[in-house]
Amino acid sequence: GAGVSQSPSNKVTEKGKDVELRCDPISGHTALYWYRQSLGQGLEFLIYFQGNSAPDKSGLPSDRFSAERTGGSVSTLTIQRTQQEDSAVYLCASSLEKRTSDEQFFGPGTRLTVL
Amino acid sequence: KQEVTQIPAALSVPEGENLVLNCSFTDSAIYNLQWFRQDPGKGLTSLLLIQSSQREQTSGRLNASLDKSSGRSTLYIAASQPGDSATYLCAVYDDYKLSFGAGTTVTVRA
Repeated sequence: GAGVSQSPSNKVTEKGKDVELRCDPISGHTALYWYRQSLGQGLEFLIYFQGNSAPDKSGLPSDRFSAERTGGSVSTLTIQRTQQEDSAVYLCASSLEKRTSDEQFFGPGTRLTVL
Repeated sequence: KQEVTQIPAALSVPEGENLVLNCSFTDSAIYNLQWFRQDPGKGLTSLLLIQSSQREQTSGRLNASLDKSSGRSTLYIAASQPGDSATYLCAVYDDYKLSFGAGTTVTVRA
């Protein structure tokens, strides 16, 4: 079946602009995660959604970052007033449900470049 | 906070040699451990998932072991091929969050 998809695959923006990154999880997966992979920080957790529960936003680096998940499926990560340090690859993952034994499946990522 | 370390950071071997990649983590109270492969400019491909109750997992030429008490995992790749050239990432499950190592970049020379 279809895996996790993300769009766009690449995004170049100017400093100060807002950007939206989209994630389509695997059908039937109730848990969705965002991670960021940057040169200086490696791969780090950003935010987690599980069903209708309140999301875990503990990994978001600043209040310029926000995310939502509509209808328990598609998720959008929004970065307002982008800065050059936001340049990174943003990865989305999904899993069947929030159990510690459930494997996370990753999308191809969105490469964000802030000029 | 969980810290995941991968040694070595880079590895270059001739084709046919076996690869040994190491991963260590500071908090042994993990749930699962997963090994990924990442090709340049690409996303993460899952290789092996070892559940907390398991000590090893095998898939083809790949074998991964897990020793929670010592905070270590090792990924073995037998009879390496040029197509195995990639960065290999180790990740531990702290409940539902993954904590990643920085990766080992492998080059297999033909």
